Amino acid sequence: DAGVTQSPTHLIKTRGQQVTLRCSPKSGHDTVSWYQQALGQGPQFIFQYYEEEERQRGNFPDRFSGHQFPNYSSELNVNALLLGDSALYLCASSLGQGAREQYFGPGTRLTVT
Amino acid sequence: AQKVTQAQTEISVVEKEDVTLDCVYETRDTTYYLFWYKQPPSGELVFLIRRNSFDEQNEISGRYSWNFQKSTSSFNFTITASQVVDSAVYFCALPSLYSGAGSYQLTFGKGTKLSVIP
Repeated sequence: DAGVTQSPTHLIKTRGQQVTLRCSPKSGHDTVSWYQQALGQGPQFIFQYYEEEERQRGNFPDRFSGHQFPNYSSELNVNALLLGDSALYLCASSLGQGAREQYFGPGTRLTVT
Repeated sequence: AQKVTQAQTEISVVEKEDVTLDCVYETRDTTYYLFWYKQPPSGELVFLIRRNSFDEQNEISGRYSWNFQKSTSSFNFTITASQVVDSAVYFCALPSLYSGAGSYQLTFGKGTKLSVIP
């Protein structure tokens, strides 16, 4: 049973560039959430996708956007990168829209220089 | 607004000692869930437990146990006979319902870093 997978593992970008991170949910899951985790902090919710729509959004600017595909996989896009966007980006999947446990992937470590 | 406080930033214990990680939460919901996650050095968050606010009985799973006290808004986590493999950052989390959409986001505490020394 495949768990949540994310790619790439690590990424180094320059300020002003754009980046796309990818996530495949755990088998059988249809909901994908994205979180940003700065060093030494807890994960912060970015947004959640269900049925290919953004269902909920945290306190992040429009530079952060996403997409969910018919196979439930998801992308996180960040435009006009800032130094402060350097973080671990975590994808979590769950089944449906209830307060069910979310299963996390290994994350993508983004460094903006 | 939902809020989770983990006042202990770092804890160090010697192997085989018992250790308790504290979690205090704030919510206006009358019914809610609480979660604990473990984040080892590899970075991946590992789900440990989900509890419903209806159920205040202590939960035990092997060396892990959880004490949920609604009266004090606490959901503490105890590791008995700690092992080196328990070294990780532990997060307490509270789902918040996005009104009208039926979807939940997790609000995390800042985490407690546990170091178990051999």
